[in-house]
Amino acid sequence: GDSVTQMEGPVTLSEEAFLTINCTYTATGYPSLFWYVQYPGEGLQLLLKATKADDKGSNKGFEATYRKETTSFHLEKGSVQVSDSAVYFCALSLNTGNQFYFGTGTSLTVIP
Amino acid sequence: DADVTQTPRNRITKTGKRIMLECSQTKGHDRMYWYRQDPGLGLRLIYYSFDVKDINKGEISDGYSVSRQAQAKFSLSLESAIPNQTALYFCATSDRDRSGYTFGSGTRLTVV
Repeated sequence: GDSVTQMEGPVTLSEEAFLTINCTYTATGYPSLFWYVQYPGEGLQLLLKATKADDKGSNKGFEATYRKETTSFHLEKGSVQVSDSAVYFCALSLNTGNQFYFGTGTSLTVIP
Repeated sequence: DADVTQTPRNRITKTGKRIMLECSQTKGHDRMYWYRQDPGLGLRLIYYSFDVKDINKGEISDGYSVSRQAQAKFSLSLESAIPNQTALYFCATSDRDRSGYTFGSGTRLTVV
């Protein structure tokens, strides 16, 4: 079935370190791919998205490229800040589907 | 005001009690969803609705019911709460173009 698998956390990085959170997907059709971020005590917010192969989504210094050949949508940031500490969710949505499929979330803590 | 408002934010209830969680939105979206979030399990879909007369079960609908009172309102009920329904509940909305979900801030429900 359709699903998303993302790397388990928690991840702890020092400020200004490089971040990668891996996400791979399984889908029967042609999905759109998303990264959501959940700050403590809040709901999920859309961080970035890509709707077709080779698209790159970007926002707030985060980037992810839709790789159809490797069925991946890894999240990257070149220099993380303490304020990036949050839980990150990868998700997919199908053209013909009724819902989004979420990964289990990866907790990121950035220390000064 | 928030685009998607959930009430209450926190609730403690006893086993066997009926409880209703409410969601209202100002996005003008047709589609509304209820998810629950549990540590290590990510988000799981309970129910969704594509318009006022459309209600669909998600992957974990047992023990829950919903009502779509208007385009802007979608409530979730636990008819007889049990402790394993202790979780963080999120309401979300989306437009038909699947550009992404807008989430509420969540309701933290504890069943004792």
